[in-house]
Amino acid sequence: RKEVEQDPGPFNVPEGATVAFNCTYSNSASQSFFWYRQDCRKEPKLLMSVYSSGNEDGRFTAQLNRASQYISLLIRDSKLSDSATYLCVVNDGGFKTIFGAGTRLFVKA
Amino acid sequence: DAGVIQSPRHEVTEMGQEVTLRCKPISGHNSLFWYRQTMMRGLELLIYFNNNVPIDDSGMPEDRFSAKMPNASFSTLKIQPSEPRDSAVYFCASSLALGGLYGYTFGSGTRLTVV
Repeated sequence: RKEVEQDPGPFNVPEGATVAFNCTYSNSASQSFFWYRQDCRKEPKLLMSVYSSGNEDGRFTAQLNRASQYISLLIRDSKLSDSATYLCVVNDGGFKTIFGAGTRLFVKA
Repeated sequence: DAGVIQSPRHEVTEMGQEVTLRCKPISGHNSLFWYRQTMMRGLELLIYFNNNVPIDDSGMPEDRFSAKMPNASFSTLKIQPSEPRDSAVYFCASSLALGGLYGYTFGSGTRLTVV
């Protein structure tokens, strides 16, 4: 079993749609959780951290379920510019950070 | 803030040649990471440093790869001799906290092609 697993997609959605991604992790001792965004041929960029109580940043909402060991990212009112690969990232609280393989999103007009 | 700076942006080299990739982390960040990304394997951590000291190099594929961080503002990743299977995008990232506890900032990467 991979340490961090994501559905690779692609997710193809129209503009204005709501789309959600899930990610599961295997290490129950994991401490920090993030979503990164990577555009084609660019570097990954930190989108948002994920907190136990859930957190929101504009159209983006992230949630953590420690009991089931998954995190989610919800994007509301999708824009063309949201098209990218979304990487789920888990840190064990110390030295080890694991990146998921990413979920590809295409938003179409 | 100039961000994490990598050079060169692109490198094309012949098999057997030595390749040196360079990275300048964000000033004040005390952790530095080298990653490799390919379509097949995704992002792989090669090595990371904390306060200029290598902490974990278990991801370095083999002895052909070496990394140094002589000071807080500079790191190199060297491949000698290079092979076609080393072709990938190599990212450097830096972080304020040990192990990237609070997230990383990546450089724009070096796209390496070994022919």
